[in-house]
Amino acid sequence: DAGVIQSPRHEVTEMGQEVTLRCKPISGHDYLFWYRQTMMRGLELLIYFNNNVPIDDSGMPEDRFSAKMPNASFSTLKIQPSEPRDSAVYFCASSAGAGGETQYFGPGTRLLVL
Amino acid sequence: AQSVTQPDIHITVSEGASLELRCNYSYGATPYLFWYVQSPGQGLQLLLKYFSGDTLVQGIKGFEAEFKRSQSSFNLRKPSVHWSDAAEYFCAVAPYFGNEKLTFGTGTRLTIIP
Repeated sequence: DAGVIQSPRHEVTEMGQEVTLRCKPISGHDYLFWYRQTMMRGLELLIYFNNNVPIDDSGMPEDRFSAKMPNASFSTLKIQPSEPRDSAVYFCASSAGAGGETQYFGPGTRLLVL
Repeated sequence: AQSVTQPDIHITVSEGASLELRCNYSYGATPYLFWYVQSPGQGLQLLLKYFSGDTLVQGIKGFEAEFKRSQSSFNLRKPSVHWSDAAEYFCAVAPYFGNEKLTFGTGTRLTIIP
């Protein structure tokens, strides 16, 4: 298996632009997670899905952030408009089943908003 | 809400020496505990996890962790470190079985010197 795939790996954009991060989970996994990692706040869970349905989005920082999972093999995290404070590494992870099953992380997208 | 504390931001160890990374959690019941490792520029990889039973848990890469309820701790150990163990290590907690929301500690960066 190829593991969790994220694209792009690096993104540089200007403040005010729309940013879309993409994730392909491991085939057969029914949970998908989006995390953000910064020096100041560490690793934070933004949102997670079960069977393509958002279960908990309490970690999404504000309305500028949105996430979708149109099917079992694809998810997006969108920031519109982007701000410099959104600069971070964004990770996608997936797991099979509930009950603390191992979450497998993608390599991350490093986002820099100028 | 549960929380995880990793009191050591950075630890330096000589190759071949033993290692212990500290993790303390705050939660009323027995949570589900995890250790993840992040190599530079990579996503996180699960080292081991504890749900119940034997309080000494064996993981991958020769790591082990011991759950101590009386001390609210879940420290990670390795008897002899290798240069390839240089990475950042994260302790994480889920409040109960079936809850997928992991709360991560701030991480401990491990440096190995020859």
